[in-house]
Order: sequence, then C-alpha cells, then structure tokens
Amino acid sequence: EIVMTQSPEIVSVSVGERVTLSCRTSENIRSNLAWYQQSPGQAPRLLIYGASTRANGVPARFNGSGSGTDFALTIHNLQAEDFALYFCHLYNNWPRHATFGQGTKLESK
Amino acid sequence: QVQLQQSGARVLRPSETLSLTCVVSGGSLSGHYWTWIRQPPGKGLEWIGEVKESGGTNYNSSLRGRVLLSVDMSMNQFSLSLKSVTAADTAVYFCARVSFDAAVGGLKFWFDPWGQGTPVTVSS
Repeated sequence: EIVMTQSPEIVSVSVGERVTLSCRTSENIRSNLAWYQQSPGQAPRLLIYGASTRANGVPARFNGSGSGTDFALTIHNLQAEDFALYFCHLYNNWPRHATFGQGTKLESK
Repeated sequence: QVQLQQSGARVLRPSETLSLTCVVSGGSLSGHYWTWIRQPPGKGLEWIGEVKESGGTNYNSSLRGRVLLSVDMSMNQFSLSLKSVTAADTAVYFCARVSFDAAVGGLKFWFDPWGQGTPVTVSS
C-alpha cells in the first residue's frame, strides 16, 4: 500500500502570508493527487484534483503543484477562513483503494 | 448540482450493527462509484469502501467481513452497514461521490461532493 506523508503536522502563519504544505508518496502516482480543506465540524471540501487543477469555486490563491512522489499546496495571501485542516488524497485504480495523508493543521500565529 | 444528504447521529452499543444512508439529489447514481469515509475524533480520514450503481463493491481490507455497501436506485441512495461495532468504530462517517478524469497524464480521482457527515458513537 502506498504511504502518504504530509508535512508539517502544524504550521502557524498570519493573514496575508504565503504558506506551502507538502505531501509525499512512497511510490510514483503521476498526477493522481487531490487536496481537501476541512474546517472544524465540517466535511472536507475539495480544493485541488489532478495535483494542480482547482475545483469549481476555489479561489485562485490556492495552487497545487508536483507530480510523481512530491506534491505541494501553496496558499497565497492567506485569509482568516483558510485556517483549517488540509489533507492530501490518493485514489488508486488498481487495486481500488483510497489513502489520505495524516493532515496539516494551519493555525493563526 | 449534486448534493448528498446523510442521516442523523447514531449511538450504538458494542456488537450492534451500524446502518447509514446517503441520499443523492440533483443527479443520478449512474456512472459513478459512491464511497464512504470515516474520521475518528481528532484523527485523520479512513476510507471504508465504495459501491457502484451495478452493486459492485470494493472495501478497505481492514474492514472487510464487517462492512457491506449497497445502492437503491429507486430511492437514489446508497447505504453502509457495519456489523459488530466496537468503540474503535466511533467516528464521523462521510459519504461522497468518486469522480475521475481519464485525460492525458493518467487517471485521476477525487471525492466530490461530500455529505455533511454523521457522528456515530459506540458506547456501553
């Protein structure tokens, strides 16, 4: 099973700053990676799929990059509503199985 | 736009069977896999399994034998059944649609939209 490792576990930033979250996989998954944002008490919200394609309605300050085993989610000009938990996600087609990173918590400095 | 609506919170005793339903509105079950994910308190996301409109299923091996996913095309909903629950099954359970893109660069999958989540507590 492919292992996904997110870093850092927690990051403290201020409104207006830029932050980059990392997700690494134990095997080459090409561009088959998604990112989700989860606010407290809410369901995860899709931000990025295909490693770099923003989902409908996602602000342009969210950017996904990477391929193979190293991926990043960069948030520019951080807003107050961006303080949340972020997960990366792989859905393997064969065998069909989904794996999530352990999450990165974005908190206010 | 497709929306997923889940049933309300559940409290179960150990050894009971958990049953959850996810109703799909604004679209059909056809052409997609539909999936369940759970999140224990303060922890990350765990994939439970998926079901297609044909009834075909794939499960997380860690739950195989206890979990059963099904679809009801007439009601446009899909369901989860988890038997012999223990405290370790306490979590928020989410349903979601599996979407994919088969364009250049290989298959890409993602989960969207998601249901609002159902808190499930297993306690004696």
